[in-house]
Amino acid sequence: DIQMTQSPSSLSASVGDRVTITCRASQSISSYLNWYQQKPGKAPKLLIYAASSLQSGVPSRFSGSGSGTDFTLTISSLQPEDFATYYCQQSYSTHPITFGQGTRLEIK
Amino acid sequence: EVQLVQSGAEVKKPGESLRISCKGSGYSFTSYWISWVRQMPGKGLEWMGRIDPSDSYTNYSPSFQGHVTISADKSISTAYLQWSSLKASDTAMYYCARQDNPYGMDVWGQGTTVTVSS
Repeated sequence: DIQMTQSPSSLSASVGDRVTITCRASQSISSYLNWYQQKPGKAPKLLIYAASSLQSGVPSRFSGSGSGTDFTLTISSLQPEDFATYYCQQSYSTHPITFGQGTRLEIK
Repeated sequence: EVQLVQSGAEVKKPGESLRISCKGSGYSFTSYWISWVRQMPGKGLEWMGRIDPSDSYTNYSPSFQGHVTISADKSISTAYLQWSSLKASDTAMYYCARQDNPYGMDVWGQGTTVTVSS
């Protein structure tokens, strides 16, 4: 299995801050990396696919970068609605597909 | 509108069987895989497996292989997740998601809560 490791596991930040979350794969996954946002009691929402492509309807303050084993999700200026848990997920191998453990973004 | 609508919450006893459903609408159901994702209370997302509704090809995470079965009926645009013998540890929220492989899971169902308790 390809292991996905996110850091940090939790993060406190203020509205307007720039925030970066990292995701590392246990082997190269090219650019087959996706990012999701999940709010309490809600289904996950796709933010970024193929490492850096913004899903339709997602605000441009969200961006993704990276390839190979190291990836980042950046929120350029945090808004109140961005406080949530974020997950990375690799789609390089479907045997199995794997998610990171999640990063909880909290209000400072 | 593209959407996946899941069946309602279930409360079952250990050893019972269960099938939950996920109905797609607003798109060609056979053009995308359907994945199932488990989220145990207070925990992260776990991919269970997926099905290609066009030919019913499935593959499972080793963690779930043999414990659940994923199927689909393309004539009614519905995918299923079933258990033959539930355990208390199956208590969780289960999501189905449309998978535009390899570009991520872009449409999600609302989730089905399964509670297994004696």
